[in-house]
Amino acid sequence: DTEVTQTPKHLVMGMTNKKSLKCEQHMGHRAMYWYKQKAKKPPELMFVYSYEKLSINESVPSRFSPECPNSSLLNLHLHALQPEDSALYLCASSQARNDQPQHFGDGTRLSIL
Amino acid sequence: DQQVKQNSPSLSVQEGRISILNCDYTNSMFDYFLWYKKYPAEGPTFLISISSIKDKNEDGRFTVFLNKSAKHLSLHIVPSQPGDSAVYFCAARTSGGGADGLTFGKGTHLIIQP
Repeated sequence: DTEVTQTPKHLVMGMTNKKSLKCEQHMGHRAMYWYKQKAKKPPELMFVYSYEKLSINESVPSRFSPECPNSSLLNLHLHALQPEDSALYLCASSQARNDQPQHFGDGTRLSIL
Repeated sequence: DQQVKQNSPSLSVQEGRISILNCDYTNSMFDYFLWYKKYPAEGPTFLISISSIKDKNEDGRFTVFLNKSAKHLSLHIVPSQPGDSAVYFCAARTSGGGADGLTFGKGTHLIIQP
């Protein structure tokens, strides 16, 4: 069982909808991450939060809006997405150090109609 | 430009034998390397990591070797078991304090044959 919990597991939405992806961890980690994974491709980094502050944004379009309400929660707000945004969205957490592994949730499979 | 490369999309190994998965990197600033295992419909599961100050790290059946001069690392699984069948990702990141994202290779699909 993963210690990083992502909801929902699957999400289908239209291009005009607004929805949010949620991620939760209770391992005391102070760094949290969003990755996007397209079929048969590796995960690609989107955002990094360190101590609840956004530290890295990999030039992600503004239709993706991350939020870190507290040290255990990470949200990804979605608005006006495009069909090419259909992918698996993975959340990860780690200690806020670069010599510690990241632990991943099982992801949210997002389909844009 | 791909900074982490896994040149074998798939690898088939007989149960009980050794599985060797390879990974090359181009960014000399990478100094922490990880291997993840991924089953379908699940997120990547952390297996083992190695810091650039070491050349070998072992955890049970899994051993990772790092050759910095060649910018190459490998994962050895001995003995291979049917449950090891999965996609294996090599990942890397730079040091420098704080948190940073991982750069992943494209993955190798390991198939363990009975």
